[in-house]
Amino acid sequence: AQSVTQLGSHVSVSEGALVLLRCNYSSSVPPYLFWYVQYPNQGLQLLLKYTTGATLVKGINGFEAEFKKSETSFHLTKPSAHMSDAAEYFCAVSGWTYKYIFGTGTRLKVLA
Amino acid sequence: EAGVTQFPSHSVIEKGQTVTLRCDPISGHDNLYWYRRVMGKEIKFLLHFVKESKQDESGMPNNRFLAERTGGTYSTLKVQPAELEDSGVYFCASSQAGGTMYGYTFGSGTRLTVV
Repeated sequence: AQSVTQLGSHVSVSEGALVLLRCNYSSSVPPYLFWYVQYPNQGLQLLLKYTTGATLVKGINGFEAEFKKSETSFHLTKPSAHMSDAAEYFCAVSGWTYKYIFGTGTRLKVLA
Repeated sequence: EAGVTQFPSHSVIEKGQTVTLRCDPISGHDNLYWYRRVMGKEIKFLLHFVKESKQDESGMPNNRFLAERTGGTYSTLKVQPAELEDSGVYFCASSQAGGTMYGYTFGSGTRLTVV
């Protein structure tokens, strides 16, 4: 069985500050891990993914995430927030399958 | 390339009525998925088509929901009769290869409100 927990349904950061969105997962098989982002009135867009190999993965728009097996975490970070980063972010886990298990989402607000 | 298109973007219906949601995947994508997000909760898998065949409909809530994919192109999701708990955002996604590791292209969703 697999599950995802996203800590904090709402996160606010100042423009230029570090963005940290937390994701912990549970998986009985080696996980594939993903972050998706939904901007207003748009579909979910893949930010980055971990399948195998390097545990630090870089995505679009300056985001990155690190797979930490010992902590069962896959936190999303960005060194400096921009106003355009305001969106809802979803962490997801899967195995070698076609089905995502999503978290409940974190809405990021960027303050000027 | 055009993305995944869903319509309507919003639908408000009364309890007991019927609603049909439509999804047009990216051309050439054999795999089509439906997901649903009930307010404030996680996005949950509903079902998966490969071409016109249902591969997995284990996430469909009950028999009031019927999904079809005509000729392996667009898909419809019908809710009949609608209940209050069916309210939420319904997402469609498509992919050329089956498997999450390749990433899916999601539509912007249909927000269904049952009153």
